[in-house]
Amino acid sequence: NAGVTQTPKFQVLKTGQSMTLQCAQDMNHNSMYWYRQDPGMGLRLIYYSASEGTTDKGEVPNGYNVSRLNKREFSLRLESAAPSQTSVYFCASRRNTDTQYFGPGTRLTVL
Amino acid sequence: GQQVMQIPQYQHVQEGEDFTTYCNSSTTLSNIQWYKQRPGGHPVFLIQLVKSGEVKKQKRLTFQFGEAKKNSSLHITATQTTDVGTYFCAGPAYGNKLVFGAGTILRVKS
Repeated sequence: NAGVTQTPKFQVLKTGQSMTLQCAQDMNHNSMYWYRQDPGMGLRLIYYSASEGTTDKGEVPNGYNVSRLNKREFSLRLESAAPSQTSVYFCASRRNTDTQYFGPGTRLTVL
Repeated sequence: GQQVMQIPQYQHVQEGEDFTTYCNSSTTLSNIQWYKQRPGGHPVFLIQLVKSGEVKKQKRLTFQFGEAKKNSSLHITATQTTDVGTYFCAGPAYGNKLVFGAGTILRVKS
C-alpha cells in the first residue's frame, strides 16, 4: 500500500516548455487534489476532482490543466511553463472524513 | 470566500519551552484538522476535532476546538527538536475541499 505517489520528484524546465506531473493513489479514494506551496503562502489549491470524471478549478488554476484519468490517477499539466510556476507541487487524496493524504511532492524550477 | 487565518507565522523557541499556534476561521466549521510538515517533507495529518469545545491530546501535543467552532489551537509542551516543522490547520469547504491556514513554522534551538 503505497498511499499517494508522485512523479517526478524534481524537475527543471525552461520557460515555455510543457510537462505533466503524475499522481496516483491506491486507497480507493474518490477525491483528489493538486496544490502548490510557496514560501509564506501555505497550500493553495490549483484544481481538484471530487470524483472520477469531474474536475473543478481551485484558487489558482491559471496556467494549468488537469486530467482525472481514472479513479487512481490525477495528472497536472503545464502547457507553457513560466518562472512564476516555480514551486513545490503536492497531490492529495481524500477519504470520507475530510482527511487528506499527501504525496511526497514535486519540486519544479522554471528558468 | 472562506478564510482560515493562522498565527504566528514563525516561532523560534528554546528546546524545552512551550509552543502554541492559533487558527481562526471566517465561518463556523463542521470540523478542523491539523497537519504537520517536516522540513523538505509533505503535510501529514495529525488530528481532527469535531465537537464544540473539544480537547484532544497526543503525548505532548494538545489540540482545542473553540466553543463557537470558529477557532482552534495547538499547544506543544516542552518542545523537542523532533517538533521542528510547519503546522497547518485546515477547515472543510464546499465541494469536498479543505481551506488551509498559511501555517506556523516552528524552529527549536537545542
